[in-house]
Amino acid sequence: NAGVTQTPKFRILKIGQSMTLQCTQDMNHNYMYWYRQDPGMGLKLIYYSVGAGITDKGEVPNGYNVSRSTTEDFPLRLELAAPSQTSVYFCASSSQNTEAFFGQGTRLTVV
Amino acid sequence: TQLLEQSPQFLSIQEGENLTVYCNSSSVFSSLQWYRQEPGEGPVLLVTVVTGGEVKKLKRLTFQFGDARKDSSLHITAAQPGDTGLYLCAGGPGNYGQNFVFGPGTRLSVLP
Repeated sequence: NAGVTQTPKFRILKIGQSMTLQCTQDMNHNYMYWYRQDPGMGLKLIYYSVGAGITDKGEVPNGYNVSRSTTEDFPLRLELAAPSQTSVYFCASSSQNTEAFFGQGTRLTVV
Repeated sequence: TQLLEQSPQFLSIQEGENLTVYCNSSSVFSSLQWYRQEPGEGPVLLVTVVTGGEVKKLKRLTFQFGDARKDSSLHITAAQPGDTGLYLCAGGPGNYGQNFVFGPGTRLSVLP
């Protein structure tokens, strides 16, 4: 079973560049999430979605955008990359009131 | 903002020792989850507790949810090197409806 798949696994961006982190899940989960994890820290919620066509801001949304055109996909867009966005990004999905299943993460460095 | 605190932040022990890590909050949670995260991987769920006072066992791991549903503990008996990792607690629902609030984690190292 694929579960939650994130691409790419690693990326280096220059300041001001843009990129999209891809996330797809094959479990037919309604809920999807994007978190960032800074070194030695826990997870902070960036954006989440409760279903196709519905997205909302989490704790740290500034500098990011998301879309949810299908149940399966939840891409995260960085428009103007900044060094403060250097982090590991995790996508997750869940059904209502159940555990979250996580992807393997995307390690992003902005230089 | 619902905050979760975890202690200790770091723990290094010898194989065979017992340990307890804690997850505390001033807020009440409808459920609390424990995840383990290994280097280069995403967190993986260990257990979910939903009832105040609930105790769940998973082999050598014992999880307890506080009576007031504000805190939880994870006890590991006879720790093994394979238990090494970052242990995260998460309470839900958080301030964002369905979503979970994560603690900063306890980084455990079990030395052979």
